[in-house]
Amino acid sequence: QVQLQQSGAELVRPGASVTLSCKASGYTFTDYEMHWVKQTPVHGLEWIGAIDPESGGTAYNQKFKGKATLTADKSSSTAYMELRSLTSEDSAVYYCTRAGHSLFFAMDFWGQGTSVTVSS
Amino acid sequence: QIVLTQSPAIMSASLGERVTMTCTASSSVSSSYLHWYQQKPGSSPKLWIYSTSNLASGVPARFSGGGSGTSYSLTISNVEAEDAATYYCHQYHLSPRTFGGGTKLEIK
Repeated sequence: QVQLQQSGAELVRPGASVTLSCKASGYTFTDYEMHWVKQTPVHGLEWIGAIDPESGGTAYNQKFKGKATLTADKSSSTAYMELRSLTSEDSAVYYCTRAGHSLFFAMDFWGQGTSVTVSS
Repeated sequence: QIVLTQSPAIMSASLGERVTMTCTASSSVSSSYLHWYQQKPGSSPKLWIYSTSNLASGVPARFSGGGSGTSYSLTISNVEAEDAATYYCHQYHLSPRTFGGGTKLEIK
């Protein structure tokens, strides 16, 4: 069965960086885009960007350019998102989710979410 | 970017009632790329309806979706207690991909 297993909760200092991971299983990793979505009570669900694990090609929401960097490791079927220069505005739950051609890029499986808290 | 506005923000329904929530886009969205998700507290969103009107796997037939252009809707024909959740619309038509603010369905 398809699973996206995300890394555990993070407590990080302002100004620091953090890398979140998302390990895929139960499907061919390179057949689907991997997207990252931020959720906060204030802004709701926000699309950060996506990566094509086959080519490594990425697309970002302009709002998150310079904040997030997406990478993927085909050998381990794992996607990563680095967040840098963290502020309290980056405190949120972050989801990885896959999307593919067959469902017109609907996000059909989601990770359990990683909570990031930025605090000194 | 395409802004998706969902209404109402919160709605309350009785068991067995028919309810409809709407998603209005700031510019036209291809119906193929308009999707809906259900989220319950403490859980990840779940794909609920894809391409406007196609139910995701396991979604009860009392749910339906419709619309075109800038106006889309999700309808529940006979509300059940398990339907209490927040529903989000989402467009993949243009980048940046965007989500609506959600409609929270409460059961009376």
